[in-house]
Amino acid sequence: EAGVVQSPRYKIIEKKQPVAFWCNPISGHNTLYWYRQNLGQGPELLIRYENEEAVDDSQLPKDRFSAERLKGVDSTLKIQPAELGDSAVYLCASSLGGDHGYTFGSGTRLTVV
Amino acid sequence: AQRVTQPEKLLSVFKGAPVELKCNYSYSGSPELFWYVQYSRQRLQLLLRHISRESIKGFTADLNKGETSFHLKKPFAQEEDSAMYYCALKNSGNTPLVFGKGTRLSVIA
Repeated sequence: EAGVVQSPRYKIIEKKQPVAFWCNPISGHNTLYWYRQNLGQGPELLIRYENEEAVDDSQLPKDRFSAERLKGVDSTLKIQPAELGDSAVYLCASSLGGDHGYTFGSGTRLTVV
Repeated sequence: AQRVTQPEKLLSVFKGAPVELKCNYSYSGSPELFWYVQYSRQRLQLLLRHISRESIKGFTADLNKGETSFHLKKPFAQEEDSAMYYCALKNSGNTPLVFGKGTRLSVIA
């Protein structure tokens, strides 16, 4: 079992450029989460999916961030255009839902210069 | 609003000394509490959850609803315990985890 797979591991882009992150959850996990972790902070939820439906996106800055989970399996998170303040680690996690725990991916470290 | 507070950013202890990582929460209902750990160059992983009432790697945590705390304890720290520790809470059911800011534990030989 590969666990939750995220790519790329690292990304450096110039401000105003677009960037996309990809996540492949554990097979069978219907619930998928995207979290953002700023330096020195804990992870903060951006969006939660139940299968292909975004059921909680209240913390997603919709002016520049978008996400999709076509077919309810893997997911992409996009930022366009990126700003300096978007530099952070973007974490993907998946779960069977309910009271089951999360499994986190290794994250994508984004640096915007 | 749900909130998790970890008052210590860094905690340094000597090997063999007791460890207590503090976690306080604010939540109006009955939350589920968790401790997650992130070792150097590894992904965030679940350490323990209060409903399991288990000891993992010698760590235990007791939910104190009166004090709204869920402190993580270990009687004798080991060097391999050095890591970032995050306290987190969630409502029952399919709701997202809310994390504290984390405490870095450094165990000194």
